[in-house]
Amino acid sequence: DTGVSQNPRHKITKRGQNVTFRCDPISEHNRLYWYRQTLGQGPEFLTYFQNEAQLEKSRLLSDRFSAERPKGSFSTLEIQRTEQGDSAMYLCASSLSSGGLIGKTQYFGPGTRLLVL
Amino acid sequence: AQTVTQSQPEMSVQEAETVTLSCTYDTSESDYYLFWYKQPPSRQMILVIRQEAYKQQNATENRFSVNFQKAAKSFSLKISDSQLGDAAMYFCAYGSGGSNYKLTFGKGTLLTVNP
Repeated sequence: DTGVSQNPRHKITKRGQNVTFRCDPISEHNRLYWYRQTLGQGPEFLTYFQNEAQLEKSRLLSDRFSAERPKGSFSTLEIQRTEQGDSAMYLCASSLSSGGLIGKTQYFGPGTRLLVL
Repeated sequence: AQTVTQSQPEMSVQEAETVTLSCTYDTSESDYYLFWYKQPPSRQMILVIRQEAYKQQNATENRFSVNFQKAAKSFSLKISDSQLGDAAMYFCAYGSGGSNYKLTFGKGTLLTVNP
């Protein structure tokens, strides 16, 4: 079990550029989540997938943000026309689709730290 | 909407001593789950302990235990025999029951362990 992986780990970009992050969940996990964490804050939910279906999106996920999970395995999060306020850690998590506590327990990746200049 | 409050931005403990981190939450739901995660500096978030709301018995994982007071909506984390490796940011998180799968996090408590 290799855990949740995210790439790249760090990204520096200029305002107005597009960036894309990738998340590979734990192999048997059907659910995948994206969170954003700014300095001094806890993670905030952005969106989640059950297999390839995107089932919930936070209002934090503006039109410039899009997430996909085309084959129900890895996921990508794209930010278009980046703004300085997008600077944050973007965390991915995954969980099994079981019921109860097991299905509710999320395992996190190391995150992608984005800095928009 | 559910909220999670961690009232202690920072805590410190001597190595080998015990420390308790507090967490309160606000919800009208009866079916939910609670978690503590640990985030060491520049490292990924790790699950420490978890609890189902309908279970009366407090969860325990080695040196980590919780004091779950459902009526008071309190979910504190006790770390016994603190070790230097316990130094990290600790986040309390709330998960709804049913088909809602997002977690709501508190702002975290930074724990320092002094040798």
